Amino acid sequence: EVQLVQSGAEVKKPGESLKISCKGSGYIFTSYWIAWVRQMPGKGLEWMGIIYPGDSDTRYSPSFQGQVTMSADKSISTAYLHWSSLKASDTAMYYCAKTKGGAYDPFEYWGQGTLVTVSS
Amino acid sequence: SSELTQDPAVSVALGQTVGITCQGDSLRIYYATWYQQKPGQAPVLVIYGKNNRPSGIPDRFSGSSSGNTASLTITGARAEDEADYYCNSRDSSHNHGVFGGGTKLTVL
Repeated sequence: EVQLVQSGAEVKKPGESLKISCKGSGYIFTSYWIAWVRQMPGKGLEWMGIIYPGDSDTRYSPSFQGQVTMSADKSISTAYLHWSSLKASDTAMYYCAKTKGGAYDPFEYWGQGTLVTVSS
Repeated sequence: SSELTQDPAVSVALGQTVGITCQGDSLRIYYATWYQQKPGQAPVLVIYGKNNRPSGIPDRFSGSSSGNTASLTITGARAEDEADYYCNSRDSSHNHGVFGGGTKLTVL
């Protein structure tokens, strides 16, 4: 059974750093792209970027380029989303999702989401 | 353009047919993908490609496309179809993806 299990909710202060995770199981982790999707409170889905764990190739949306960093550790089948300096506007639910194959293929499996709250 | 435009809200009477549309330049090149999201839950893939449903998605869900507009049709809407629906496609710049703003479907 394919599963994406994300790390737990986080409460951080502005300026702090944060790395959230997404652990894949039930499939060959290095063979499928992982996407990150943001959903701000009461708002829609936003495509942040994708990473290919096999070689860590990444593609970012222009809106998120330079704001976050995606990475992956294939030895533990885990993808990460990292902020070096959080802002209040980063408060959102963050989902990871596995594509059906290619970089821009549909997201067939989703993680449960990680709620990030940034507040002073 | 990196925009996909959806109507914010649509309603349908129980058992009737409803279409949810998504417009954008990239849809002239790429198929739309459709996701359903219910409150407090992660999105679920419902339609992809020309008109493909993942296993477990009822056949009352179908997709179509013409020009710069993609459509998700629910034939015989049920109460459990009440949700937010998002379209998604590859941007026409080819190097990132994009979501529509979402459509809130109310089943009356």
